Amino acid sequence: DAKTTQPTSMDCAEGRAANLPCNHSTISGNEYVYWYRQIHSQGPQYIIHGLKNNETNEMASLIITEDRKSSTLILPHATLRDTAVYYCIVRVGISSGSARQLTFGSGTQLTVLP
Amino acid sequence: DSGVTQTPKHLITATGQRVTLRCSPRSGDLSVYWYQQSLDQGLQFLIQYYNGEERAKGNILERFSAQQFPDLHSELNLSSLELGDSALYFCASSARLAGGPVTDTQYFGPGTRLTVL
Repeated sequence: DAKTTQPTSMDCAEGRAANLPCNHSTISGNEYVYWYRQIHSQGPQYIIHGLKNNETNEMASLIITEDRKSSTLILPHATLRDTAVYYCIVRVGISSGSARQLTFGSGTQLTVLP
Repeated sequence: DSGVTQTPKHLITATGQRVTLRCSPRSGDLSVYWYQQSLDQGLQFLIQYYNGEERAKGNILERFSAQQFPDLHSELNLSSLELGDSALYFCASSARLAGGPVTDTQYFGPGTRLTVL
């Protein structure tokens, strides 16, 4: 799986958009970008994933550059409850009905400030 | 709520003891993964089961073992416990049965906090 690089920490004002970057310059054509977050000692929470196209769901938007070497997770209106460690993970997709484990890096500690 | 349940929430035991952690995957999910999160190691993959069979192994110690039962719930057994085994243990599930959407997305349970004294 491709290695990812994320900033160690970021701050964001409550109500503003939080933009979390991730570099994955060695990503392969069949690798997806996944984002998870972990709120203090809780189980990691799935946010969003994508392959090539930008994706949006009720939680966030994922913007993937055209060369797929980097991506940005956007939380459009950050709240205090979005304070968490955000993990960007790159890995191949499903095959033969099985799935592969997630390799977590250090992630980005996002702190939403009142 | 991810739909994955884990019991117990907290477990305090002594060195040398053996414990069993239990995980119930989301309804219809065939794959179960176990992860360990300690303060100095971050989230580490331990082992994966798919429909009752071991599918992948990570950095799992020989003192640890797991199994997945016919009803798809899984248990992680930790024996000869050491102080360094104190950690959060998470279970995740993915891969729905045929007929439903097949997804690679893993959904995590709330975890079991193990403290070895």
